[in-house]
Parts: sequence; structure tokens; C-alpha cells
Amino acid sequence: GAVVSQHPSRVICKSGTSVKIECRSLDFQATTMFWYRQFPKQSLMLMATSNEGSKATYEQGVEKDKFLINHASLTLSTLTVTSAHPEDSSFYICSALDRRNTGELFFGEGSRLTVL
Amino acid sequence: GNSVTQMEGPVTLSEEAFLTINCTYTATGYPSLFWYVQYPGEGLQLLLKATKADDKGSNKGFEATYRKETTSFHLEKGSVQVSDSAVYFCALNYGGATNKLIFGTGTLLAVQP
Repeated sequence: GAVVSQHPSRVICKSGTSVKIECRSLDFQATTMFWYRQFPKQSLMLMATSNEGSKATYEQGVEKDKFLINHASLTLSTLTVTSAHPEDSSFYICSALDRRNTGELFFGEGSRLTVL
Repeated sequence: GNSVTQMEGPVTLSEEAFLTINCTYTATGYPSLFWYVQYPGEGLQLLLKATKADDKGSNKGFEATYRKETTSFHLEKGSVQVSDSAVYFCALNYGGATNKLIFGTGTLLAVQP
């Protein structure tokens, strides 16, 4: 099946720094990718929808200046957590929409961010 | 609003035991319902889905029936294997698009030999 890869899988950073997480679709083109956040023992919460070549659409309550999303190519979307703080520590998951196969979503492995 | 509630884990079973993971939902309209599975170190994968009331989704021995009257989509398997150990997520879509999914909290299943 289709593969979506996230990198890095784990990252630890100091408060105030910025961290970039990559999401790649390895064997298909994804015009649309999604970013989710998951807190311990809670649901995956959709943060934003990323469309190739255009600005991302953010869900209510998600700070777009805090979580910068770029979808510059059909196989890559990036999430940058700017000026990270400990409360940004979380598990971030991306998914990509494969339009070849009735719109099925394929998920990355997730990236665990820890801000010290 | 729309939401999904699933039983808390972990669920620990012996091999060949019967599995049920409960999932109920609250939604306006008629959503599609999904079960996703996440094996250790991997991304979420679609396990099965049902798009309308009374539909039964099935895959790899797992089944779930879309019950509109009880707003439920419980996951079942007659005989679990060690390889079924994973986190299972129930989800629904809203807004007429398959992309905007609302997830439950996930249930960890641990199957012991």
C-alpha cells in the first residue's frame, strides 16, 4: 500500500527554538495533506489542511503563526513549530490523501516533540 | 457536536480469545464510520469502514456493524492473534468529506501467547 513517512520521529528542543517536521508521500502524489496533534490518552485533533501550492487551512483555535505549514511539492509538506514552548510538546501526525484510490488517507508514523 | 467515544484500554487478551472494542458516536446527519489500526512504530492504517446504517465493514477477521439505533460501531474479532496487538482508533467523518476525520482516543490491545 501507499507509504507516508515523517521525519524526525522524535525531537527534543529548547524552549524558544523552532522545529520543523517533514511529511513525505513516498509512492504517490498528494495534493492534500493533513496535520494532527495527539495529547496523551486523547484523540487525534486535526490542526490544519495543507494543499499543494496554496496556503494551509487551519482549524479553529490553531495559531497559524505558531504552526507554519508549507506544502511546496506534491510529495512534501512541512510543519514548523515556531518559538516552541513546553506546552507544544505533543505527538504530531500527518496524513496524505491518495486521490488515485477513492480518496483513502494514509498516515505517517508520527513525530514526538518534547520542548524543554 | 460530533464526537467519538471508545473504551479505554489497555485491553489484554490471550491468543484465540474473542475481542470487542466498543465505539459510540454522536453526529449530526449520517456520517461514515471507520476503524484504524496503528501497529508499533507504524502509521495509522485503515482497517475497515461502513458508510451507511446496517453496513458491516470487515477485514482481516475483524468486523464492525454500523448501528444507527444505538449510534455504535463496535469492533469484533472471533479469535485474536499476537500479531493483532496494536492501538485501534474509531473515527467518523463529517462535512461530506472523507478527509476531515474525528477520532476516538484509541484503545491499546495487547494479545499474549
